[in-house]
Amino acid sequence: DSGVTQTPKHLITATGQRVTLRCSPRSGDLSVYWYQQSLDQGLQFLIQYYNGEERAKGNILERFSAQQFPDLHSELNLSSLELGDSALYFCASSVGGIGNTIYFGEGSWLTVV
Amino acid sequence: TQLLEQSPQFLSIQEGENLTVYCNSSSVFSSLQWYRQEPGEGPVLLVTVVTGGEVKKLKRLTFQFGDARKDSSLHITAAQPGDTGLYLCAGAGAGSYQLTFGKGTKLSVIP
Repeated sequence: DSGVTQTPKHLITATGQRVTLRCSPRSGDLSVYWYQQSLDQGLQFLIQYYNGEERAKGNILERFSAQQFPDLHSELNLSSLELGDSALYFCASSVGGIGNTIYFGEGSWLTVV
Repeated sequence: TQLLEQSPQFLSIQEGENLTVYCNSSSVFSSLQWYRQEPGEGPVLLVTVVTGGEVKKLKRLTFQFGDARKDSSLHITAAQPGDTGLYLCAGAGAGSYQLTFGKGTKLSVIP
């Protein structure tokens, strides 16, 4: 158990819909990262927040957005969903940024039908 | 964009055999990490290497960072079924907050 909690674990939704994935980082961790893992693309960095502020942005689509709340939990919002958005979405956390060990949650499986 | 190529993509071996998996890039990384991911779980950090030429050992696993900090290898001695999983390498560029992951090597160790 990494200490990073993600909900829901599995989600099936239709194209065009919107979903929200939630993440609670490890106690004491200020950084939250979101990654997308698919069979063809591997693990892709989406976005990082540190203590409530966006710190780095990767290959995140404009249809996706994220935020980190004052209590440090984070949400990833995926809208206008397409079949290709089906993937495993991971949240990870660390005390600070790069250089600190990153701990991954178990992921949220999103299936878009 | 920094890319990490991992090879082989798939590897199936018998218990007790040795193996090496590779992680290569044309880019220089300030540090490189190896993770193992099991089905239904997130990646778990195995090791971080930061110095060119560095070698780190973790029980039966030996990790090496290339002299030019562009490549790395993971060698497993006397593989066991518990070593089965997806092995991912990830690199961080200087001053970057992003980790670039390779697509991984899927290892199956057959009893």
